[in-house]
Amino acid sequence: SQQGEEDPQALSIQEGENATMNCSYKTSINNLQWYRQNSGRGLVHLILIRSNEREKHSGRLRVTLDTSKKSSSLLITASRAADTASYFCATAPSSGNTPLVFGKGTRLSVIA
Amino acid sequence: EAQVTQNPRYLITVTGKKLTVTCSQNMNHEYMSWYRQDPGLGLRQIYYSMNVEVTDKGDVPEGYKVSRKEKRNFPLILESPSPNQTSLYFCASSFDDRNIQYFGAGTRLSVL
Repeated sequence: SQQGEEDPQALSIQEGENATMNCSYKTSINNLQWYRQNSGRGLVHLILIRSNEREKHSGRLRVTLDTSKKSSSLLITASRAADTASYFCATAPSSGNTPLVFGKGTRLSVIA
Repeated sequence: EAQVTQNPRYLITVTGKKLTVTCSQNMNHEYMSWYRQDPGLGLRQIYYSMNVEVTDKGDVPEGYKVSRKEKRNFPLILESPSPNQTSLYFCASSFDDRNIQYFGAGTRLSVL
């Protein structure tokens, strides 16, 4: 029952450029979360944005949420080689018993 | 240090030989969950637990068992492993099913 779908599946940019990843979902949500995964390692939480919030910042990360379009975006500014990882969105449905649902991720490669 | 600990990190076994992957968290979290991650399929939930003695099936529960006898531990049991259970497994914990998830480092399982 995957709900979040990230776009693009893969992204390759030069160091110093900005990276934007998008997440679309289907049902109403309580919150949306972004996670990062370095190759083969556990996911690490980046940002949680609630359904009544439109934008959130954390360091070089900026997340927006548009509940009317059922979409979110993650922007990484001034990317570094160390940002190379897979990024996942996860949605917490606002109703029902479905727990947090993860998308398939965007693989970001930052070339030095 | 707050953490989710999985053991073993790597495991090679043969078809039909029962195995258990342990998961322990030291954050007093009520919610715990198991995921498997396969190329192109993203993160899929196997089982989750809202609290002690409460477990529920996720998206792909076939061939797996879990138990939650105490709050900190949530072992994943494969009674009769098969090659299609070769995967990367993650345990996660959280205060609840809508909140930030804390992931273990992963267990890479190969079933021959």
